[in-house]
Amino acid sequence: EIVMTQSPATLSVSPGDRASLSCRASQSILSNLAWYQQKPGQSPRLLIYAASTRATGIPARFSGSGSGTEFTLTIDSLQSEDFAVYYCQQYSHWPPSFSFGPGTKVDIK
Amino acid sequence: ELQLVESGGGLVQPGGSLRLSCAASGFTVSSNFMTWVRQAPGKGLDWVAVIYSGGSTYYVDSVKGRFTISRDESKNTLFLQMTGLRAEDTAVYYCARGAPDNTWTTPTYYFDFWGQGTLVAVSS
Repeated sequence: EIVMTQSPATLSVSPGDRASLSCRASQSILSNLAWYQQKPGQSPRLLIYAASTRATGIPARFSGSGSGTEFTLTIDSLQSEDFAVYYCQQYSHWPPSFSFGPGTKVDIK
Repeated sequence: ELQLVESGGGLVQPGGSLRLSCAASGFTVSSNFMTWVRQAPGKGLDWVAVIYSGGSTYYVDSVKGRFTISRDESKNTLFLQMTGLRAEDTAVYYCARGAPDNTWTTPTYYFDFWGQGTLVAVSS
C-alpha cells in the first residue's frame, strides 16, 4: 500500500505571499499525482494532475512539481479564496490504488 | 453541464445497510471511470471503491466484502450498496468521475469532477 504524507499540517500565510506545500509518497509513483482543494462545506476540486498539469479553469498561480516520491504544490500571490485545505493523491495503475495525503490547511496569517 | 447528485444517505444502526445513488448528467456514467470517496467528520479523504468503464471493480481493504459499487446505464446512475455498516463508516460519501492520465502506456485515473456528497451516519 502506498502511503502519502503531507507537510506542514497547517501553513499560515499572508495574502499576496507564496505558499509551498509538500507531499511525499512511500514509494515511487512516477508522476501519478493529483492535488485537490477543499473549502469548508464543499466537495474537493481538482487543481493539478500528472504532478504538474493544471486542470481546466485553474489559475496560473497554482503550479505543481516533482516526480517519484517528492512533490510540491506552489501557490503564488495567495488570494483570499485560496485559503482552504489541500490534498495530494496518488493514482496507481496496478494494483489500483488512489490514496490521499492527510491534507495541508492553508490559513490566514 | 456536468452534474453529479448523490442521495440515499442517512442514519443507520450498526450492522445495517444503505444504498447510495449518484445521478449523473452531462456525461455517460457507463463510459467513464467512476469512484466513491468518503470523508469522516473533520477528517481527510479516503477512496472507497472504483468501477472502470469496462466494468472491473476495486475496493479499499476496509470495505471489501461489505460494499458493492455498480451502475445502471438506463438511469445513468452510479450506486454504492453498503452492508454490515460500522461506526467507522460514518462519513460524507462523494461520487466522482475519473479522467484518464495518458502519460503512460496504460492510463491511470485522477478524479476530475465531484458531487456534493451525502452523509452516512452509523450509530445506535
